[in-house]
Amino acid sequence: DVVMTQSPLSLPVTLGQPASISCRSSQSLVYSDGNTYLNWFQQRPGQSPRRLIYKVSNRDSGVPDRFSGSGSGTDFTLKISRVEAEDVGVYYCMQGTHWPPNFGGGTKVEIK
Amino acid sequence: QVQLQESGPGLVKPSQTLSLTCTVSGGSISSGDYYWSWIRQPPGKGLEWIGYIYYSGSTYYNPSLKSRVTISVDTSKNQFSLKLSSVTAADTAVYYCASYSGYDFDYWGQGTLVTVSS
Repeated sequence: DVVMTQSPLSLPVTLGQPASISCRSSQSLVYSDGNTYLNWFQQRPGQSPRRLIYKVSNRDSGVPDRFSGSGSGTDFTLKISRVEAEDVGVYYCMQGTHWPPNFGGGTKVEIK
Repeated sequence: QVQLQESGPGLVKPSQTLSLTCTVSGGSISSGDYYWSWIRQPPGKGLEWIGYIYYSGSTYYNPSLKSRVTISVDTSKNQFSLKLSSVTAADTAVYYCASYSGYDFDYWGQGTLVTVSS
């Protein structure tokens, strides 16, 4: 199985400052169709996960443009340009290129 | 927009079988657009994919749980279900149902907490 490794585990951030989360996969996530199925989810406290980004860098409808995804192959990054209070929660990367689908361990974003 | 809602007992005794149902609205489970999936999250921990089913009945399970998991579908009720046998305290978790496009999980239910305890 592909192993998804996120860092850091915890990310204290000052309001208005940027944040960056890394996700690395044990195998390339480029699929045979040329797409890279690396997705990012946000889980606010007490809520179910919500997809933010699909196929590395595509924001879902309603997701603020302060969220951006980038990367290729095995290394991926989720960036928040200016953290707001509503961004507190746990962020998970997830790969859908290889079976079985699986998630990274999560990164907890909190306000300093 | 597809909506999903989990239902079932919140408390299950050790060694018994956990049973949950997910009701889909806003779309037909038979549309063929999605695989219908179960994911769980132990308290304070990360997400674990359990398995999914296609409307035709084809099932795919996480190898780590395969011996204990059964997922079924009832297209007439627009529902799919999870059974997890021989549960222990380690199976205590919030269980989510979700739609799986083949590459990611588009829509999620709100989740239901199942506690395994005598």
